Order: sequence, then structure tokens, then C-alpha cells
Amino acid sequence: QKEVEQNSGPLSVPEGAIASLNCTYSDRVSQSFFWYRQYSGKSPELIMSIYSNGDKEDGRFTAQLNKASQYVSLLIRDSQPSDSATYLCAVQETSGSRLTFGEGTQLTVNP
Amino acid sequence: GAVVSQHPSRVICKSGTSVKIECRSLDFQATTMFWYRQFPKQSLMLMATSNEGSKATYEQGVEKDKFLINHASLTLSTLTVTSAHPEDSSFYICSARDDVGGQYFGPGTRLLVL
Repeated sequence: QKEVEQNSGPLSVPEGAIASLNCTYSDRVSQSFFWYRQYSGKSPELIMSIYSNGDKEDGRFTAQLNKASQYVSLLIRDSQPSDSATYLCAVQETSGSRLTFGEGTQLTVNP
Repeated sequence: GAVVSQHPSRVICKSGTSVKIECRSLDFQATTMFWYRQFPKQSLMLMATSNEGSKATYEQGVEKDKFLINHASLTLSTLTVTSAHPEDSSFYICSARDDVGGQYFGPGTRLLVL
């Protein structure tokens, strides 16, 4: 079993729709969870971090964490074509330690 | 915000030559930097953890004699790919950790070995 698994893509949604990205992890002691966005040919950029169970909202983005189910998700509301990218889920055991990445989900938002 | 730079952004070299990639934290000190490699359509794979003033810690399967890491100051880590071969062609990305545990990625270096 992979340490971090993301829902297989590619995912395609129309402009204005909600895009839902999912991630599960295997290490129960993981403490910190991140969503990165990576445009083609660029390095990842951090868009959300979440540390506690529940929802965390930042603009059009909402991260959801359920440690009991070892599940973290990212919702993108009012999706825009500029949101088209690969989204990487990353898990961290302790603050500042190595990040373990999922394989990413490619999202395409169609105008 | 915290900024990490990498140099060069792109390099093309002949097989058998060595290539050095620099990673700098521009506005903060980083006792720890991480080096990743990303092949096309794959995720980031951690190669090694670079600690200032000590030897790097390499992930399983990564040859330490081929990928030389030096972290001589709190703002600079270098990765040298020795005797590069075409299979080493990849996107190399570093990240730097600040003193509160945040990690910030550099823009990456695309290496092409002919």
C-alpha cells in the first residue's frame, strides 16, 4: 500500500463547478497535511495546510481532515480555468520533518 | 514570504559530465533543506535531507556517491550530479525549512543529459 494515495485522475469539471480532490494516508501518526498545486513545468506551491480534524476554508478552497478515517480532501468552489493544474497531497509526520507526496491528481477546468 | 531560489533553472550537459545545482534561501536561514526529483507525470520523490554542517541523509535507493550534497551555510545547499547519464534527466526541486517548520520550494532545475 502506498503511503499517500490520491484519487486517480484526470478530473475534468466545467467552469464554476466544485472540484473535489481526495487523499488517504497510511501512517496514523501523521500530524500535518498539505495541498500543493503544481502547474506544468513548475515547482509545487502551497495552497492549503490543515492540522486538526474538520474543515478549513480559505477563499474558494476548503480542506477537510478526518484523522480517524485517515482521509483529507480539497474542495475548490467556483472552479476557474486557471485552477487547471496537478494537485498534490502531502503528509508530514512531525512539524518540519520530511513531506511524503501522493502521485497527484490532474484537474482540468473547462471554460 | 519566504523565498527559495535555485540555479540554474535549466541545464543541458553531455553524458559523463557533472552538474552542480544550487539551492538558496533568500530571506531566512534554513538548517534543513530537502532535495526532490520528479520524472514526467510522476510525483515528487525525496532524494535526501540536507543538514547544515553535517552529512546529508539519503533515501533508500539514492546513491550518495552519485548525488553529492553539500550544505555549507544556513542559506545554501548544493546538489552535484556526478557522471550524469541520460536516465538522470529529471526535474530537481529543493525545499528549505525555516525555524518554525515551514517548507518552501524552489522553482526547480530541469536537467537534460544527452
